[in-house]
Amino acid sequence: DAEITQSPRHKITETGRQVTLACHQTWNHNNMFWYRQDLGHGLRLIHYSYGVQDTNKGEVSDGYSVSRSNTEDLPLTLESAASSQTSVYFCASSESRRGQETQYFGPGTRLLVL
Amino acid sequence: KQEVTQIPAALSVPEGENLVLNCSFTDSAIYNLQWFRQDPGKGLTSLLLIQSSQREQTSGRLNASLDKSSGRSTLYIAASQPGDSATYLCAVKDDYKLSFGAGTTVTVRA
Repeated sequence: DAEITQSPRHKITETGRQVTLACHQTWNHNNMFWYRQDLGHGLRLIHYSYGVQDTNKGEVSDGYSVSRSNTEDLPLTLESAASSQTSVYFCASSESRRGQETQYFGPGTRLLVL
Repeated sequence: KQEVTQIPAALSVPEGENLVLNCSFTDSAIYNLQWFRQDPGKGLTSLLLIQSSQREQTSGRLNASLDKSSGRSTLYIAASQPGDSATYLCAVKDDYKLSFGAGTTVTVRA
C-alpha cells in the first residue's frame, strides 16, 4: 500500500544545530507539504512543493528550508534550531488533479530543541 | 486572512448518540473543505473532502455538509461508538494552502 513516512519520529537537539527531518511518500503525488502543530496555534503551513525543483514558502517559513530533487522526498531543514521550533512536524502529500486534492499525512516527528 | 473556527472545543456523548461538529470560516472564496480525524500522538486521517461546488459528502456513518455562502460546514457522525473518540479538524483550501481549525475533541462514553 502507498504510504507517507517520516523520520526520525522523535528528535532532541540543541539550540543552534542544523536538523533535517525526512519525509518520503510512495503515492507518486506531485504536491508535498510541511506543517507544524502547536497548542494554541493548530496546524500551520511551513513550506510546500508542487513538483520536482519547485518549493514555496508557507505562513511560518522563517528558519526553515526545503528542497525537492525527486517526487518521493521533501526533507525539511532547520538551519539553526531555536527553542521556538520545538513542535510536532507533519508532512503531507496530495495529487494535483481537481477533485483529488485530499491530503494524506505522515505520522509526525516530535522535535525538542533544548 | 482565512480564520477557521470549530465549536465546541470538546464534546462528550454516550455511545449511540449522533454527533454534530461545527466548522465556520471567514472567507467564502474556497476551493474545498476537508474533515480530518486525529488520534492522540498520531497523524491526521482524511475523512471527507467537499468541493466548493458541492453541498454534502457521505461516507458510511459520516455526512458532511457545506454552505459556502454562510461560511459553515457540519460533520454528522451517526450512532457514535467509543472508537469515534478522537479530535476532529476541519480545513479549508484557498488558492494554495489549507487553513485549519483548532479541532473538536470528542469522547464517546461506553
